[in-house]
Amino acid sequence: GAGVSQTPSNKVTEKGKYVELRCDPISGHTALYWYRQSLGQGPEFLIYFQGTGAADDSGLPNDRFFAVRPEGSVSTLKIQRTERGDSAVYLCASSPNAKNIQYFGAGTRLSVL
Amino acid sequence: GQQLNQSPQSMFIQEGEDVSMNCTSSSIFNTWLWYKQDPGEGPVLLIALYKAGELTSNGRLTAQFGITRKDSFLNISASIPSDVGIYFCAGLEETSGSRLTFGEGTQLTVNP
Repeated sequence: GAGVSQTPSNKVTEKGKYVELRCDPISGHTALYWYRQSLGQGPEFLIYFQGTGAADDSGLPNDRFFAVRPEGSVSTLKIQRTERGDSAVYLCASSPNAKNIQYFGAGTRLSVL
Repeated sequence: GQQLNQSPQSMFIQEGEDVSMNCTSSSIFNTWLWYKQDPGEGPVLLIALYKAGELTSNGRLTAQFGITRKDSFLNISASIPSDVGIYFCAGLEETSGSRLTFGEGTQLTVNP
C-alpha cells in the first residue's frame, strides 16, 4: 500500500517500561507529524519533522517523549518510563511539504498497565 | 492542548436526512479541514478549505470556511448508513506553523 504505515498496531506494556513506535510515511513526503489521541478526543499534536530535523516539538508532554527521523523517511517515537496516562492511540501523518494536507496512518494503540 | 469547539458532540439521524456540524475558534485559521475517522483507523480527509468564504463540495458533503476565519461548517446531505463515524474539524492557525488543531469530534449514527 502507498499510505502511511504504523507499527505495531497495538502495544501493551507495563508501567515503567520503554516503548518505540514506528512510522513509515508516504514515499517522497518530506514532512512527518506525530499526534496523540485519547479516548473520545481529537488528535493532539506532539512533534513535526521537516526532513531529518524536528521543526516543532512543542507538543511533546515531557522529556520522557522523544522522536527521531535519522534519514528523513521512517520515524520512531520513543517513550521512556511509561505511565498509565500515556495510554492512547499514537497517530502519524505525512505530507508532501509543510503546508500540504496531512495523511494519517491507522495509529498504534498503546496500553500501559 | 488547545482544541477547537466542535458541535454537536453526537447526532442520531434517520437514513436520508441531512446533517450539519460546525467548529468555532477564538483564533484565526488559515486552513480548515474536515476528516472522518472509523473505528481502528486514522482520520481520512474529506474536504480542505483554504480561503475565507470558500464553499467546497465533495459529493454529498459541503463545507464552508467562515468569513471571520474563526469557524467552519460541514453539511452531509441525504445521509446513508456508511456515513456513520466520527467527524473531526481541524485547522492550521495563523501562528501555529504546520501543526493541526483538532475539534473533539461529532459522532454520527445513521439509522436505516
